[in-house]
Amino acid sequence: QQQVKQSPQSLIVQKGGISIINCAYENTAFDYFPWYQQFPGKGPALLIAIRPDVSEKKEGRFTISFNKSAKQFSLHIMDSQPGDSATYFCAARGTSGGSYIPTFGRGTSLIVHP
Amino acid sequence: DAGVIQSPRHEVTEMGQEVTLRCKPISGHNSLFWYRQTMMRGLELLIYFNNNVPIDDSGMPEDRFSAKMPNASFSTLKIQPSEPRDSAVYFCASKDGLATYNEQFFGPGTRLTVL
Repeated sequence: QQQVKQSPQSLIVQKGGISIINCAYENTAFDYFPWYQQFPGKGPALLIAIRPDVSEKKEGRFTISFNKSAKQFSLHIMDSQPGDSATYFCAARGTSGGSYIPTFGRGTSLIVHP
Repeated sequence: DAGVIQSPRHEVTEMGQEVTLRCKPISGHNSLFWYRQTMMRGLELLIYFNNNVPIDDSGMPEDRFSAKMPNASFSTLKIQPSEPRDSAVYFCASKDGLATYNEQFFGPGTRLTVL
C-alpha cells in the first residue's frame, strides 16, 4: 500500500506555541490532502484540507503548507491551546483509479500544556 | 443529520465468541468504509462499499472477518470466532461519492475488547 509518512509520533507544546506536524507521500496521483483531528473516544473529524494547486491554506489558527515537488505537506497550529490536545492524522488521496481511497499517516499525539 | 451511527459503542467478549458491529451511514451517502484503529498499526482500512457493493476487502485480516451491506442504510462487520488480537476500535465512515473531493465522515467507533 502506498505510504504516507507522518512525524513526529508525539508532540508536546506550551500554550501559545506553534505545533508543527509533517507528512510525506509517494503516490503522485494523490491530489487531495486532508488533516483529521481525533479526540479521545471520538472518531477522526476533518480539520482542514488542501489541493496541490495552492501552496498554503489557512483556516483560523490552522495552516497547511504544501510542497508538491518534495511531495510533503505540513500542519501548523498557531497559538496552540490546551483544547487542541488531540491526535492528528494526515491523509492523501486522489480522484481517479484506486487512489481515491485515502491513505492515512500513523498519527501525531499532540499535548498542549497550559 | 445525526451523523454516522455505530453500535455498540463498547463490546467486551470472550475469545471464540461471535461479534457483530453495526453501522448506519449518513443518509444519502453511497460509500461506506470500515476501519480498525490500534496503537500498533494505526488506522487501517478493512473494506469499503460503493452503492452497497463490496469493492475492496483486501484489508480484511482473515476469513474470520466478514462485512455486509444489505441496504443503503445499514452495514455490519462480523468477527467469528473472535480472538484477543482483534481488540481494537472499529470505525465506520461514509461518503457521498467514492471518487470525489467530498469528505468522508467517521462514526464514534466501537471499542472491542476480546478477553
